[in-house]
Amino acid sequence: DSGVTQTPKHLITATGQRVTLRCSPRSGDLSVYWYQQSLDQGLQFLIQYYNGEERAKGNILERFSAQQFPDLHSELNLSSLELGDSALYFCASSERGFQETQYFGPGTRLLVL
Amino acid sequence: AQSVTQPDIHITVSEGASLELRCNYSYGATPYLFWYVQSPGQGLQLLLKYFSGDTLVQGIKGFEAEFKRSQSSFNLRKPSVHWSDAAEYFCAVSSTSGTYKYIFGTGTRLKVLA
Repeated sequence: DSGVTQTPKHLITATGQRVTLRCSPRSGDLSVYWYQQSLDQGLQFLIQYYNGEERAKGNILERFSAQQFPDLHSELNLSSLELGDSALYFCASSERGFQETQYFGPGTRLLVL
Repeated sequence: AQSVTQPDIHITVSEGASLELRCNYSYGATPYLFWYVQSPGQGLQLLLKYFSGDTLVQGIKGFEAEFKRSQSSFNLRKPSVHWSDAAEYFCAVSSTSGTYKYIFGTGTRLKVLA
C-alpha cells in the first residue's frame, strides 16, 4: 500500500460526458502528479501540482483540467469525453518535487462508451 | 526529440536465471533515470533511480541498474529471478531543470517460468 488513494476505482460513462477523478496523496506529500496509461499512448505524464499550484504540464488535453485543494487532495476533471479517453488514470505523490520518489495510487479505470 | 526506448516488449526467463532489461534514452543532457515495476492491476512502484554519482545503482527487490553515458543506456539487472518478479517494467526519464518532462518507455513484460 503506497498510501495514495484514488476514487473511484472504476468509472463507466458515455461520450460527451464529464467525470471527476479524485486523489488523496500520502500524508505530508505536497506534490501530486497525474498520469494516463492507455494501450495507444502508453504511460503519459499529464500534470503536476505542488502545494495547490500548478507546477508542470505534460501531455494534458485542453478538455482535461486539474486542481489541488488546500487539504492537498487533487481532482482531475475530464470533459467532453471521447472513446479514446478510456484509460487507467494514476495519481502519484511526492514530498516536494519530481526528483523524489513518487508513490503511485492504484488508479482509476475509465471506460468511455 | 526526447524519447525512451525499451526494445524488448516481452521477455521470458526461467526462475533462478539472470535478467537484463534494456533501456535506451535520447535526451539533450543526462536526465534523471528511473525504473518502475507494475504488477497486474496495480500502480507503479519505483525500483531504483539515478540522479548522479555512482553509475551502478542498487534498488529494491534485488534489482540494480547501470547508467552508461556513452551508450545512453540504463539497463536493469537481477542475478536470479523469482516467480514473483513477473510483471511489467517501465524505464523513465525526467528533466533535471527547466521545463519539466517525464517520459516513460513502452514497457517490457516479464514472464517467469517455474
